[in-house]
Amino acid sequence: GQNIDQPTEMTATEGAIVQINCTYQTSGFNGLFWYQQHAGEAPTFLSYNVLDGLEEKGRFSSFLSRSKGYSYLLLKELQMKDSASYLCAVTDSGNTPLVFGKGTRLSVIA
Amino acid sequence: SQTIHQWPATLVQPVGSPLSLECTVEGTSNPNLYWYRQAAGRGLQLLFYSVGIGQISSEVPQNLSASRPQDRQFILSSKKLLLSDSGFYLCAWFTGDSFSYEQYFGPGTRLTVT
Repeated sequence: GQNIDQPTEMTATEGAIVQINCTYQTSGFNGLFWYQQHAGEAPTFLSYNVLDGLEEKGRFSSFLSRSKGYSYLLLKELQMKDSASYLCAVTDSGNTPLVFGKGTRLSVIA
Repeated sequence: SQTIHQWPATLVQPVGSPLSLECTVEGTSNPNLYWYRQAAGRGLQLLFYSVGIGQISSEVPQNLSASRPQDRQFILSSKKLLLSDSGFYLCAWFTGDSFSYEQYFGPGTRLTVT
């Protein structure tokens, strides 16, 4: 079966750092995606990890541990516009579609 | 650059009515295309995907169907809508190799079945 777990909600302060965790249990695994979704809008692609380790893209970084079935998205220097849902998703082969978690709703407060 | 178009943006339909949602992609050829649904308070659910013209794979048995009449066109249909079909419908395009994937979503269609 496929199971992806993320915290439902998180709150963090503007300028701070927040880590959003994702654990997965899937029958196969090729890579893990992170998306940002603002309320009422389509998701936007943030990152893709296929190898273990940390990948950094500006204020956003994503980490993967395949042996632990674990990933996190790290957001630094939080801004109010970072308030959104963050979706973790897994793909188990090149052409196999993604299985999504339910998302973590992040609220950034002043 | 690649662009995904979806229409309509919003739709209100009565139970039992038909449905047709269209998705077109620009700037790429032979894309893998996907239909997802996001119901209120729930995660994205994959409905259909297509790796080429006339090739459709269904992930969830239901009263919806999909067709791919042209390389860059993907259509989601229903003959009779149910209340449970309400949701945010997203078309997506997917590309990449073993180490670099990208997926992009269209703007979505918000469907309310009344």
